[in-house]
Amino acid sequence: AQSVSQHNHHVILSEAASLELGCNYSYGGTVNLFWYVQYPGQHLQLLLKYFSGDPLVKGIKGFEAEFIKSKFSFNLRKPSVQWSDTAEYFCAACMNTGFQKLVFGTGTRLLVSP
Amino acid sequence: DAGVTQSPTHLIKTRGQQVTLRCSPKSGHDTVSWYQQALGQGPQFIFQYYEEEERQRGNFPDRFSGHQFPNYSSELNVNALLLGDSALYLCASSLTRDGLTDTQYFGPGTRLTVL
Repeated sequence: AQSVSQHNHHVILSEAASLELGCNYSYGGTVNLFWYVQYPGQHLQLLLKYFSGDPLVKGIKGFEAEFIKSKFSFNLRKPSVQWSDTAEYFCAACMNTGFQKLVFGTGTRLLVSP
Repeated sequence: DAGVTQSPTHLIKTRGQQVTLRCSPKSGHDTVSWYQQALGQGPQFIFQYYEEEERQRGNFPDRFSGHQFPNYSSELNVNALLLGDSALYLCASSLTRDGLTDTQYFGPGTRLTVL
């Protein structure tokens, strides 16, 4: 069955620390990958996406993610986090079939202390 | 440019009742997907509507049904509510071109509590 795993459920960092959130997927075939973020009291927003091409994808607010096909991974990174990055982060995947039936991970809660 | 809107924001129902949730897609979008997000979990795909038809469905029972209107808005209906249906219900809209659905944008959700 298709699945997405996020290994870190809770992460606590100080401001200016570097961030890496893990995401692994289990899919056969070509896959589209996404990171969504949910800030406190707000709805899910798209951070970045990978469909094809350059495996290093840059998103909004200084986030980036790297697609490593051999590791079935799509880890999210940011070199220096800010207090405003406190949020819940969801990795999602879908088959590249056109329907975009997203399968989400369970999410990672990030708390950045000032 | 209005984003995805959902109504109502919150809803409280009792077991056995029926509920209807509504979604208006982002301007220019023609495809609506519905997700259920239980507490502490990621969203789970319920179904997707395009051209007023259910295009794909997740692992949800027939108690969950939907509809898409000519203006692309959509409804999610849940019959015979169970306690386990308590969740945040998310609507996501997107644009489909040549059969391919593009990136989904999410609404704020409807929080359903079943007592």
